[in-house]
Amino acid sequence: GAVVSQHPSRVICKSGTSVKIECRSLDFQATTMFWYRQFPKQSLMLMATSNEGSKATYEQGVEKDKFLINHASLTLSTLTVTSAHPEDSSFYICSAIVQGASDTQYFGPGTRLTVL
Amino acid sequence: QKEVEQNSGPLSVPEGAIASLNCTYSDRGSQSFFWYRQYSGKSPELIMFIYSNGDKEDGRFTAQLNKASQYVSLLIRDSQPSDSATYLCAAGMYSGGGADGLTFGKGTHLIIQP
Repeated sequence: GAVVSQHPSRVICKSGTSVKIECRSLDFQATTMFWYRQFPKQSLMLMATSNEGSKATYEQGVEKDKFLINHASLTLSTLTVTSAHPEDSSFYICSAIVQGASDTQYFGPGTRLTVL
Repeated sequence: QKEVEQNSGPLSVPEGAIASLNCTYSDRGSQSFFWYRQYSGKSPELIMFIYSNGDKEDGRFTAQLNKASQYVSLLIRDSQPSDSATYLCAAGMYSGGGADGLTFGKGTHLIIQP
């Protein structure tokens, strides 16, 4: 199957700082990537759809100025959590679609963010 | 609002038996359905996807879809302790060639008892 990586796998930061998470498709090109968030014992919630070369589409209730998404190449999308607060602590997971095959999404390993 | 409902469990099944996981979805426009397995602290791993009504088999796994009832299920035959995990059901709007985010259920925690 298609391989998606994320970096870092775990990050701890102080309240008010910004954190950047990278999502890479390693062996395929992904014109579309997705960012999800999962709180403990909850399901994955779609945050935004990231399209290469264009602005991301955010789900209702997700602040686009707080969660900055950049998809500058066909293999890399980044999510920056700006001015992070403890309530932003969560498991952030990206996924990518193998374009032209199906809309099956392959997930990255996730990034555990803890804001102190 | 699109919703996917699952019984959170835990569902306990003896080793070697059939585990049956169920899921319902609210949006009749949903066209694609996925089952993911998620171990604690890890990201979801795709097990199967299904687009058409009926059954789809892959090894020990069988996915079943009934669009009239808005119902999706996953059967795991010859359950193994390594199958113990949370199983997530997800629905999407396209069946091939499209690109949209998925709506996930909260997952069913499955425990296979040795």
